[in-house]
Amino acid sequence: NAGVMQNPRHLVRRRGQEARLRCSPMKGHSHVYWYRQLPEEGLKFMVYLQKENIIDESGMPKERFSAEFPKEGPSILRIQQVVRGDSAAYFCASSPMPRNTEAFFGQGTRLTVV
Amino acid sequence: GESVGLHLPTLSVQEGDNSIINCAYSNSASDYFIWYKQESGKGPQFIIDIRSNMDKRQGQRVTVLLNKTVKHLSLQIAATQPGDSAVYFCAENAANDYKLSFGAGTTVTVRA
Repeated sequence: NAGVMQNPRHLVRRRGQEARLRCSPMKGHSHVYWYRQLPEEGLKFMVYLQKENIIDESGMPKERFSAEFPKEGPSILRIQQVVRGDSAAYFCASSPMPRNTEAFFGQGTRLTVV
Repeated sequence: GESVGLHLPTLSVQEGDNSIINCAYSNSASDYFIWYKQESGKGPQFIIDIRSNMDKRQGQRVTVLLNKTVKHLSLQIAATQPGDSAVYFCAENAANDYKLSFGAGTTVTVRA
């Protein structure tokens, strides 16, 4: 049973480009959470999604950031017009139930904006 | 080795000794707590969890203690090994909330 799969593992984008980060949850998990980790800091919640629904996006910047979890396929975190401050590690977690308990994290996508 | 006070960012411990990592939380509504281990370049790895109706829980070589009165959580690692070197995060989850709130993390370095 594969764990949470994130790709790409590393992503380099120039300022102004778009970044797309993908997360495939564990089999049977329909709840996905995205977190951002800046260097030397803990993880900060961004958004919580269930299949086809955004449940809580209180941690996501209002502009340039969006997330989706379609009926088929992985969850996508999209960052438009990236800026240097978007450089961070982005982690996805999935769980079989609504609360983020028993959640398993992926290996993350490390975004570098140059 | 022990991180004293509420929280220190680093902890150096001799191989074979016990480690104690401390964490303070602020939300009195939190009722579920998790300790994660994060190695360089990897995602957080679940170590052990505890619910607020308990004050102690043991796993393999690890023990989590919860003191709700002072909102304090600790992780004890017995017979620390070189493979235990990593950053350790405590995380809390409040009732009726979906997300985890993470602490800043403690870097544990094991000396041979």
